[in-house]
Amino acid sequence: DSGVTQTPKHLITATGQRVTLRCSPRSGDLSVYWYQQSLDQGLQFLIQYYNGEERAKGNILERFSAQQFPDLHSELNLSSLELGDSALYFCASSGQGNNEQFFGPGTRLTVL
Amino acid sequence: LAKTTQPISMDSYEGQEVNITCSHNNIATNDYITWYQQFPSQGPRFIIQGYKTKVTNEVASLFIPADRKSSTLSLPRVSLSDTAVYYCLVGGRHNTDKLIFGTGTRLQVFP
Repeated sequence: DSGVTQTPKHLITATGQRVTLRCSPRSGDLSVYWYQQSLDQGLQFLIQYYNGEERAKGNILERFSAQQFPDLHSELNLSSLELGDSALYFCASSGQGNNEQFFGPGTRLTVL
Repeated sequence: LAKTTQPISMDSYEGQEVNITCSHNNIATNDYITWYQQFPSQGPRFIIQGYKTKVTNEVASLFIPADRKSSTLSLPRVSLSDTAVYYCLVGGRHNTDKLIFGTGTRLQVFP
């Protein structure tokens, strides 16, 4: 158990819909990262937050947005969903710097 | 941005030493090299991190030559449970803009 929790574990929705994925980092970790992993693909970095502020952006679509709240949990919002958005979405957290990222169990999103 | 290249797959047998190499020709001065292990449908798990020369922990060793254009993850005496995908990650400890996962190497360990 990495200490990072993600909800829901599974999510099935239809094209055009909007969903919200939630992540709670390890206790004390200020950084939260979001990744997308499509079937049999590598990990694509989406975005990072540090103590409530956006720190870095990767290949995140404009239809996607995220935020980190004062209690440090984070949410990833995916809108106007397309079939190609079906993937595993991982959240990770870390303490100072990027020394070691602890990954959550992921949310499997299926868009029908 | 430092792009990484790894072999797509490797096979080994239980008890053997496995070496997985990652190429990162454009590594920046402040970039570190980190390796993660991922089992199917699970989040990646940190294995080891280094900057130069050699780093060893209880599960693996990481060898980085002087030019730092490549790195080698060494797994001593692998077991069936080491069957997983291994990712090489290059990035600065304080600069997430250069956070790049490699393509991953799928290691299959046979009995």
